[in-house]
Amino acid sequence: NAGVTQTPKFQVLKTGQSMTLQCAQDMNHEYMSWYRQDPGMGLRLIHYSVGAGITDQGEVPNGYNVSRSTTEDFPLRLLSAAPSQTSVYFCASSPILNTEAFFGQGTRLTVV
Amino acid sequence: SQKIEQNSEALNIQEGKTATLTCNYTNYSPAYLQWYRQDPGRGPVFLLLIRENEKEKRKERLKVTFDTTLKQSLFHITASQPADSATYLCALDPPGNTGFQKLVFGTGTRLLVSP
Repeated sequence: NAGVTQTPKFQVLKTGQSMTLQCAQDMNHEYMSWYRQDPGMGLRLIHYSVGAGITDQGEVPNGYNVSRSTTEDFPLRLLSAAPSQTSVYFCASSPILNTEAFFGQGTRLTVV
Repeated sequence: SQKIEQNSEALNIQEGKTATLTCNYTNYSPAYLQWYRQDPGRGPVFLLLIRENEKEKRKERLKVTFDTTLKQSLFHITASQPADSATYLCALDPPGNTGFQKLVFGTGTRLLVSP
């Protein structure tokens, strides 16, 4: 049982480049979300999804896009990378409301 | 604005002692609160969830209390072990959410248990 899988684990981008962070879960969870974690800031919600075809913005959505074409996958796209997007990104899934969130291992992104 | 506070200074204790971590929140009336453990380079791992109508919850050596009057949760690890060394995060779901769990996290407290 893999749980939540994120790829890549590390990535270095140049300012202005675009890329997609991948997230897949094999637990058939309806709820999926993306967080970023910065020193002294805690985890902050970027985008979330309540099911295939349904997404919405979280606390810090600017510069990021998401889509949810299947229950399993929830990719996060950086449209034009900026140094302010240097962070550790975590994908999470939950089976139903008001229960635990299962997190992936994270992607450490550096934008130079 | 909504805020969750955890002690940013590391907590150092000796093996066998009880560790107590604090999570304070303001401007919330959460229905529940969660605690997670995070090891360096890893994602958070869920530990416990406590609801507003529960004063205390236990799981093996872990105990969580939830005081909605004080707006505070305490997280206890009894008989602590060096393997308990990690960062512990508290999280809650602000009121007013419409059908999705939008967890708001504290910055975490690092626990160091020495042999």
